[in-house]
Amino acid sequence: DAGVIQSPRHEVTEMGQEVTLRCKPISGHDYLFWYRQTMMRGLELLIYFNNNVPIDDSGMPEDRFSAKMPNASFSTLKIQPSEPRDSAVYFCASSLGASFKAFFGQGTRLTVV
Amino acid sequence: GIQVEQSPPDLILQEGANSTLRCNFSDSVNNLQWFHQNPWGQLINLFYIPSGTKQNGRLSATTVATERYSLLYISSSQTTDSGVYFCAVEQGNTPLVFGKGTRLSVIA
Repeated sequence: DAGVIQSPRHEVTEMGQEVTLRCKPISGHDYLFWYRQTMMRGLELLIYFNNNVPIDDSGMPEDRFSAKMPNASFSTLKIQPSEPRDSAVYFCASSLGASFKAFFGQGTRLTVV
Repeated sequence: GIQVEQSPPDLILQEGANSTLRCNFSDSVNNLQWFHQNPWGQLINLFYIPSGTKQNGRLSATTVATERYSLLYISSSQTTDSGVYFCAVEQGNTPLVFGKGTRLSVIA
């Protein structure tokens, strides 16, 4: 299995631009999570899906953030418009069941200048 | 929400030394995982250990759920063990909540 695949690995964008981060979970996993990692706040959950349905998006910081999961093998996290304070590493993770091992992708390092 | 505290925040070891990392959590949990974040930023799942003891090579972990803590043991540390070790817990239907991590530096 290829594991959780995220793209791009690195993204540098100018303030105000739209950013789309992509994630392909492990095949067969029914939970997908988006986390953000910063020095100040550590790893924090943004949103998670079960069977492609968003369950809890209370961690999404602002309306500028949105996430979708159109099918079991693909999810996107979009930031529009982006701001410098959005700079962070964004991780996608998936698991089979809510209380099973979570596997993380390699992350997308986002820099907004 | 549940609180997860890890100690120590930073640890420097000489290669070959042993260490114990601790994770305390504020409420009962149904899932606890230990992760290693390597210097390239990748999060590697080390243990899924809601209770009991597990071993994997030089690493072992013990969770005492009734006392709300977990320990990660690293024996005969190597420079490749450097990085940040995270404890993460799940309570009820709430996804993993992470501690702040222990930053480990193993020097040759």
